[in-house]
Amino acid sequence: NAGVTQTPKFRVLKTGQSMTLLCAQDMNHEYMYWYRQDPGMGLRLIHYSVGEGTTAKGEVPDGYNVSRLKKQNFLLGLESAAPSQTSVYFCASSPTQGGGYTFGSGTRLTVV
Amino acid sequence: AQSVTQPDIHITVSEGASLELRCNYSYGATPYLFWYVQSPGQGLQLLLKYFSGDTLVQGIKGFEAEFKRSQSSFNLRKPSVHWSDAAEYFCAGLKAAGNKLTFGGGTRVLVKP
Repeated sequence: NAGVTQTPKFRVLKTGQSMTLLCAQDMNHEYMYWYRQDPGMGLRLIHYSVGEGTTAKGEVPDGYNVSRLKKQNFLLGLESAAPSQTSVYFCASSPTQGGGYTFGSGTRLTVV
Repeated sequence: AQSVTQPDIHITVSEGASLELRCNYSYGATPYLFWYVQSPGQGLQLLLKYFSGDTLVQGIKGFEAEFKRSQSSFNLRKPSVHWSDAAEYFCAGLKAAGNKLTFGGGTRVLVKP
């Protein structure tokens, strides 16, 4: 089925460890986004990309890096995980400005 | 700054009763507005969206929303809820020329038998 796929679905990290979350979409969308979801705060934008090779900061970018080397993939990296990064991470993509967002099913990350 | 606010954190409703979820927005101009639903452990599913035109928008699963410019609101309604409507609902806004969707804090809906 066409859509947005996130891997892994669950992960537990120790403080200071690094990891990369992968988002892949097969809809040829230009725009891709990484959000984190925390109770009572909705989803907050971490980083986004408006096309292959581009990235930009969102609302809460500190402690994260991203790369968009291929149009279909958008990677989110944590260089040195902290307990404050315990969250559920969602990737999304859209074909153009103005909506049509498709979300992945999320990655639940726990940092201990 | 652009923002979307959902005043109600939790709402409990009886099965068969009507439901209204509130959403207020703060943008310089009328944004695009969306309602999403998230079932436990799942991603977000789009219920409906408003770009322009008719202020009453019909969505999936029997939901509708009404855009009121004078009140900066985009409230979601359903005439008769089903137990399967128990979920968390998010209102979101997007500047017309922008590409960053901004979410409200969400409203969790509990449905009593």
